[in-house]
Amino acid sequence: KQEVTQIPAALSVPEGENLVLNCSFTDSAIYNLQWFRQDPGKGLTSLLLIQSSQREQTSGRLNASLDKSSGRSTLYIAASQPGDSATYLCAVTNNNDMRFGAGTRLTVKP
Amino acid sequence: NAGVTQTPKFQVLKTGQSMTLQCAQDMNHNSMYWYRQDPGMGLRLIYYSASEGTTDKGEVPNGYNVSRLNKREFSLRLESAAPSQTSVYFCATQRTRAETQYFGPGTRLLVL
Repeated sequence: KQEVTQIPAALSVPEGENLVLNCSFTDSAIYNLQWFRQDPGKGLTSLLLIQSSQREQTSGRLNASLDKSSGRSTLYIAASQPGDSATYLCAVTNNNDMRFGAGTRLTVKP
Repeated sequence: NAGVTQTPKFQVLKTGQSMTLQCAQDMNHNSMYWYRQDPGMGLRLIYYSASEGTTDKGEVPNGYNVSRLNKREFSLRLESAAPSQTSVYFCATQRTRAETQYFGPGTRLLVL
């Protein structure tokens, strides 16, 4: 059974800092890995999707990496802004089953 | 183009009552999913439907039933609600497994 862990559970940083969120998974036979953003009381919005054959994906200030062999992914956020404050969830797909981590709650202070 | 819509937004039930959560999509996606989200536990898959006319159990199906009414609609039914089913329920759709899932805004359910 795939297990997905996200560390830390919460993170608070001052505006402008670069930061890294971590995701680890136990079964490396994944189809893809996604990072989502969730604002309080809202649904999930996809940020980046990395296929199993890829090593990283970039979108603006966001960069996600994937190391299947070690069961790890990182989400790098450059020059953080208060608007980046949200919960970030990692999700791993095996076959038809997508498993989520519990998320990292990020607060960026002005 | 509304994307994925869910009704109701919020519901309070008494233990033993039944209800149906509705999900509809206008994205013409084949696959639809129901998840529940509990504090500190991320999202867990309840049921999914890979295509119209098919449904399969996910990680936590007990106490729930689903119906894929047509390509657009996928409903989740609680026949006899329990306090353990207090949660936020999300519906999602997906065109292919290689692409992302699109989520609805969620239904907050409180079972007393």
